[in-house]
Amino acid sequence: EAQVTQNPRYLITVTGKKLTVTCSQNMNHEYMSWYRQDPGLGLRQIYYSMNVEVTDKGDVPEGYKVSRKEKRNFPLILESPSPNQTSLYFCASRAGGYEKLFFGSGTQLSVL
Amino acid sequence: GQQVMQIPQYQHVQEGEDFTTYCNSSTTLSNIQWYKQRPGGHPVFLIQLVKSGEVKKQKRLTFQFGEAKKNSSLHITATQTTDVGTYFCAGPNDYKLSFGAGTTVTVRA
Repeated sequence: EAQVTQNPRYLITVTGKKLTVTCSQNMNHEYMSWYRQDPGLGLRQIYYSMNVEVTDKGDVPEGYKVSRKEKRNFPLILESPSPNQTSLYFCASRAGGYEKLFFGSGTQLSVL
Repeated sequence: GQQVMQIPQYQHVQEGEDFTTYCNSSTTLSNIQWYKQRPGGHPVFLIQLVKSGEVKKQKRLTFQFGEAKKNSSLHITATQTTDVGTYFCAGPNDYKLSFGAGTTVTVRA
């Protein structure tokens, strides 16, 4: 089954404790992206990757890092989480160009 | 930079009624996509519009792309409880995809 898998589904952490949210897709998609969703603000893009070893900033990249060492994986790293990073995070992928996005199930992160 | 705005933010609808949600971009779009997110779920692709003035239908949902390719609308006829959720429009911005804030729809039975 074609899917984007994110883990964990829920995560509670404390300020400053490094964490990684994993994302994997099994569709051989070139393009992958991370979004955060906050009430009233919709989905805002954090980082995206056009292909292996090619990443670029989205609209809200501050406080986040990503890597794309393999085509299928695109982890989101918060090196020193802060409470304003409490949000619902979605990983997404697409084949390329203006194709539709496939979203993961989301990760609800709370930073205390 | 490009901004995509949606109105209304909330839509409370009586079951069986029609409603429309609107999407406006600050720049001309090459295409526009619509997604639906059920409560507690993730966004799911509904449709993509590419041509100026294009109209596409999916059962009770009608999607329209403006002539100037700067706005779009989603019209739902005879709303059902299954239509509950948040509807997002999204437009490409270079290699990014910018989403509107969404219209959250609730239905009164």
